[in-house]
Amino acid sequence: AQTVTQSQPEMSVQEAETVTLSCTYDTSENNYYLFWYKQPPSRQMILVIRQEAYKQQNATENRFSVNFQKAAKSFSLKISDSQLGDTAMYFCAFRMEYGNKLVFGAGTILRVKS
Amino acid sequence: EAGVAQSPRYKIIEKRQSVAFWCNPISGHATLYWYQQILGQGPKLLIQFQNNGVVDDSQLPKDRFSAERLKGVDSTLKIQPAKLEDSAVYLCASSQDRSSYEQYFGPGTRLTVT
Repeated sequence: AQTVTQSQPEMSVQEAETVTLSCTYDTSENNYYLFWYKQPPSRQMILVIRQEAYKQQNATENRFSVNFQKAAKSFSLKISDSQLGDTAMYFCAFRMEYGNKLVFGAGTILRVKS
Repeated sequence: EAGVAQSPRYKIIEKRQSVAFWCNPISGHATLYWYQQILGQGPKLLIQFQNNGVVDDSQLPKDRFSAERLKGVDSTLKIQPAKLEDSAVYLCASSQDRSSYEQYFGPGTRLTVT
């Protein structure tokens, strides 16, 4: 069974600075998808970024980028130029290539301070 | 485009009572998911529907939980009888189909069992 581990329960960062959230996972699959979801205090979960395991290039979405290390089974999220609106719970999630069941980590609370 | 709708947003019940949650997915989305998110944990998939058929209910406690999606559109999740450990946020999500990588989440229903 696939597992996702987020080892940082809480993180804080000053506005405009950069922060990196960590995620590791365990799977025997070769092709799969990895995601970062954001859950603000209002609770509506939204997709931040996704990475296909067969792609070597790290995904980027504006201020959000990932560092995908397939051999190490590591998938970290970097947020550049942090904004107050980035304050939220961030979840790392895994999905096999076939089927769309998401397996989530326990989450990291990120607080952006002014 | 309207998002995933859920009701109620909050519910407080006593143990051994029953409760039902309702979800209306994004129009045209064939796949619907119910997740349970216990405080401090990531969401856990309870059941997945493809149209009105169940794809995966392996983590649904079937002795007390039931779910249906009779017309392949909206869905209800029921708990009967509730236990203290059922206190959680129940999230509904939908995707266009089983191969879609993005799931769209509703705001959730926070259940407190006393």
